[in-house]
This record gives sequence, structure tokens and C-alpha cells, in this order.
Amino acid sequence: SQELEQSPQSLIVQEGKNLTINCTSSKTLYGLYWYKQKYGEGLIFLMMLQKGGEEKSHEKITAKLDEKKQQSSLHITASQPSHAGIYLCGADISGTASKLTFGTGTRLQVTL
Amino acid sequence: DADVTQTPRNRITKTGKRIMLECSQTKGHDRMYWYRQDPGLGLRLIYYSFDVKDINKGEISDGYSVSRQAQAKFSLSLESAIPNQTALYFCATSDLGGTSGGPQSSYNEQFFGPGTRLTVL
Repeated sequence: SQELEQSPQSLIVQEGKNLTINCTSSKTLYGLYWYKQKYGEGLIFLMMLQKGGEEKSHEKITAKLDEKKQQSSLHITASQPSHAGIYLCGADISGTASKLTFGTGTRLQVTL
Repeated sequence: DADVTQTPRNRITKTGKRIMLECSQTKGHDRMYWYRQDPGLGLRLIYYSFDVKDINKGEISDGYSVSRQAQAKFSLSLESAIPNQTALYFCATSDLGGTSGGPQSSYNEQFFGPGTRLTVL
């Protein structure tokens, strides 16, 4: 089974709508990273969360870390076509700061 | 110029052939990683290296080998390619900051190359 589960697997939203993507770990999270990938391209770093309750924002994207639930959420406000792509969460679940485990990704489409 | 480059960007090969994918970085990072991405499976770690003399297996290293020729170069080889190695391959680099381990650990983000799309027929 996957150590890092993302939901939903795919999402289609109308431009201007809000949306949330979740990333849940079966193990303790020592650091959580959100990346965005345009189809067939490399990953672009969005944000890193380390402490329980931590929340970070960049433009219209906000990420939160719930340490107790071993979960992070990524919220996009007033979605735009430029937000389309695959969102991946990666986490240090080993506690050794040596490598990241990634979720399966959430594919986001934004319709006009 | 891109900080992390991968060559080739696309490759089609036949079963049984030996293939090498190359990764170069200009970020000066010590740590380098190779991942593969398959639909529905996300990114899976193949090998990673903390410096030229330190190479570690990831979760799916069978059928692959690596070489860290220099701090800036990390190559992935498929000794005898098979169709289920068809995937998108990514190289990444990182530079650890702060202490390691535990809730206070600091771990800088990984920087990814553009990927190599490999098809094994």
C-alpha cells in the first residue's frame, strides 16, 4: 500500500472555483513538500511545511500541515487555467532527512 | 541555462538493449536522486547519492545501476532494458541544510530536471 496517499486522484474545476487537495501519510511526517508538474515536464517546488499547524501561502495557493492527522492540504483559491497540472506531495517519513517519499499525484484541470 | 539537465529527453529502445540516462547539475549540490514516474504510481526512488563515494538503493533499484562520476554528474543505466521500464525518469538534486532527523530536521527542497521519457519496445 502507498505510504503517502493523495486525494482526489483527479479534479476538474471551473475557473474561479476553489479546490482542496489532501495528502495523508501512514507514518510520521518530518517534512512535507508540495510540487507542481506540468504534463510531461519536471517538478516545480511550491512549498515546504515542517511544523504541525504550519500554514504557508504563495499567491493563491495555501498549504497547511496537520501533524496529528499526519496530513497536509493544498488549497487553491479562485482557480485559473495556469493552475492546471499535477500536484504531488513529497514527505520525509524516515526522519533521517535523506530522501523523500512521494504521493501518487492529483491531476487538476481547470475549465473556462 | 537550466540548473539540472537530463539527456536524452526522449529515447525509444528495444528489449535487451543497454541504456544510459545522464544527469548534470550546476547547483553545486552534493545530493542527487533518480526517480521514475508511472501513471497512478507517482514518483518512486530508484537510487540516490550523497556524494561521489556514497550511493544508496531506493525502493525500486532492481534492473538499474548508477554511477556518480563527479559531484555534478549522476548517470542511470538499464543493463538490459525491458518493457516495464517504460516510464518518465527524473533526476533531482538537493543540498541538506540544518540537522538531520527528527521533527526539527531541516531538509531543503529537491530540484528536478525536465525528465527523460523512455520507451522500451
